[in-house]
Amino acid sequence: KQEVTQIPAALSVPEGENLVLNCSFTDSAIYNLQWFRQDPGKGLTSLLLIQSSQREQTSGRLNASLDKSSGRSTLYIAASQPGDSATYLCAVEGTGNQFYFGTGTSLTVIP
Amino acid sequence: ETGVTQTPRHLVMGMTNKKSLKCEQHLGHNAMYWYKQSAKKPLELMFVYNFKEQTENNSVPSRFSPECPNSSHLFLHLHTLQPEDSALYLCASSQELEGNIQYFGAGTRLSVL
Repeated sequence: KQEVTQIPAALSVPEGENLVLNCSFTDSAIYNLQWFRQDPGKGLTSLLLIQSSQREQTSGRLNASLDKSSGRSTLYIAASQPGDSATYLCAVEGTGNQFYFGTGTSLTVIP
Repeated sequence: ETGVTQTPRHLVMGMTNKKSLKCEQHLGHNAMYWYKQSAKKPLELMFVYNFKEQTENNSVPSRFSPECPNSSHLFLHLHTLQPEDSALYLCASSQELEGNIQYFGAGTRLSVL
């Protein structure tokens, strides 16, 4: 069964720093990988989706990379802001519309 | 507004009650999902519907019963739940032609007493 791991579980950085969140998965037979943001008490918001044939995707200050063969993805956040404080989750899609999520990284950006 | 609406936002029920969670998507998507989110555990995919047909049931106990009357609406019927079923229940939808990007509702916070 696919297992998704996110490290670190929590991260606290001063405003303006660049940071990297990590996601690893055990089965490389995936269709895509998605990064989400979840604010307390809210649902998830999709940030970036990387198809299995792609290596990276960018949206504004966010850049996500995918190395399918090694089972790893990173989410790079440039020039972090207090509004970036949230929990960030990654998920991989397998066959049959199956989605497997990590437990997330809780990010706090200190003003 | 994500285009996926869940009601109610909060629900408290006893173990002998019967209640239903509702999800509606206004995005024209063909797939809808129920997830369970418990503290310090990964999101667990419970059910998947594609074009109103259930395609996945991930070993969910029968006290959870999904219903998808059309491609825009999804229900989760609850009966004789256990306290360990207390969690945030999230609904999502996606469109395969859009890469299956998942759009989530705000969730229903369920407490079973």
